[in-house]
Amino acid sequence: GAGVSQSPSNKVTEKGKDVELRCDPISGHTALYWYRQSLGQGLEFLIYFQGNSAPDKSGLPSDRFSAERTGGSVSTLTIQRTQQEDSAVYLCASSLVPSGAYEQYFGPGTRLTVT
Amino acid sequence: TQLLEQSPQFLSIQEGENLTVYCNSSSVFSSLQWYRQEPGEGPVLLVTVVTGGEVKKLKRLTFQFGDARKDSSLHITAAQPGDTGLYLCAGDQTGANNLFFGTGTRLTVIP
Repeated sequence: GAGVSQSPSNKVTEKGKDVELRCDPISGHTALYWYRQSLGQGLEFLIYFQGNSAPDKSGLPSDRFSAERTGGSVSTLTIQRTQQEDSAVYLCASSLVPSGAYEQYFGPGTRLTVT
Repeated sequence: TQLLEQSPQFLSIQEGENLTVYCNSSSVFSSLQWYRQEPGEGPVLLVTVVTGGEVKKLKRLTFQFGDARKDSSLHITAAQPGDTGLYLCAGDQTGANNLFFGTGTRLTVIP
């Protein structure tokens, strides 16, 4: 079956512009996560969605970052007024069971470059 | 603040050598996972360990969870070029929705 897909795969934007990153999770997975990865390092948690519950936004670094998940499926991460420090790979993951202990399936990521 | 520290950060070895990667924390985790990530792709789960002292083997890879559930190690026997990649440990804490990822170990196996 299809895995997690993300688009675009690469995005170059100018400082100050807004960007939207999209994630299509595996069908039937109720949990969805966004992470940020800088320079091939470890992953930084951003936000978590589970079903119709209020999202866990505890990892969002500033109010310029927001995310939505429509119909319990597709998610969009929006970064407003992008800054150079926002440059990173943004990874989306989904999980069948809403718990960190269960396997998270990752998409290939969106590489964001802010110039 | 990084909950999980991995060492070494970079490792370059010859094909056929053995190696160990460490994942350490001062915090206790309910379970710990190891992922491998290749360039341009997302991390892929290798194993989950859930019991203190647990040892799991996956072909040439041996994973151990510390007795106190604060640390873990990954040992690779007779490394192959196909083992090249970024190895990430990730811990799960009770009550947290997300995994806490380690700093990563970038392994290069030279043919």
